[in-house]
Amino acid sequence: DQQVKQNSPSLSVQEGRISILNCDYTNSMFDYFLWYKKYPAEGPTFLISISSIKDKNEDGRFTVFLNKSAKHLSLHIVPSQPGDSAVYFCAARDGNYGGSQGNLIFGKGTKLSVKP
Amino acid sequence: DVKVTQSSRYLVKRTGEKVFLECVQDMDHENMFWYRQDPGLGLRLIYFSYDVKMKEKGDIPEGYSVSREKKERFSLILESASTNQTSMYLCASSSPGQNEQFFGPGTRLTVL
Repeated sequence: DQQVKQNSPSLSVQEGRISILNCDYTNSMFDYFLWYKKYPAEGPTFLISISSIKDKNEDGRFTVFLNKSAKHLSLHIVPSQPGDSAVYFCAARDGNYGGSQGNLIFGKGTKLSVKP
Repeated sequence: DVKVTQSSRYLVKRTGEKVFLECVQDMDHENMFWYRQDPGLGLRLIYFSYDVKMKEKGDIPEGYSVSREKKERFSLILESASTNQTSMYLCASSSPGQNEQFFGPGTRLTVL
């Protein structure tokens, strides 16, 4: 059963507007969440993260919001740019999987297209 | 700057061949991971290792094995390649207590 879900396979947004990518999780033991960005034929690159003790983290145009009670997080990109077009993966760290190392569990990804 | 390199960007093999995918990281990371990425399925963990000589199965280890003889190198082995192993293979590394994993550029493997 999927523990990290990205229910929208794709999202299309106009340049300059806000992009909102959503992620839901089921495991209340997840203690850290990350967003990765992936261009075709490249490896994923880390974008932004948030600890489960916070509800918001901001880095430039990127903001991640965490709602623990709803087991939901979202990534906001404002303003969206054509270069943001990529696949975005949500990932969660499970402190109980892999002991103190904590492996990451990834969602299936959302393909964002930002149109000029 | 963390660098994770993978031996090939593109690889074409025939069914039944033994395939080696190599991954090297230069940041002295203890943890190394192999994933495969398929459309609509996201990143799925094949094997991981927290130390030299150590290996653990991930979510989809069937048909794969790994080797970690040196700290910086983690190899994924397809003992007898099959067409359903056609995929993008991604290697990653991290340090204990570090949540972020650093990924290599990936190897696009096609098995004919």
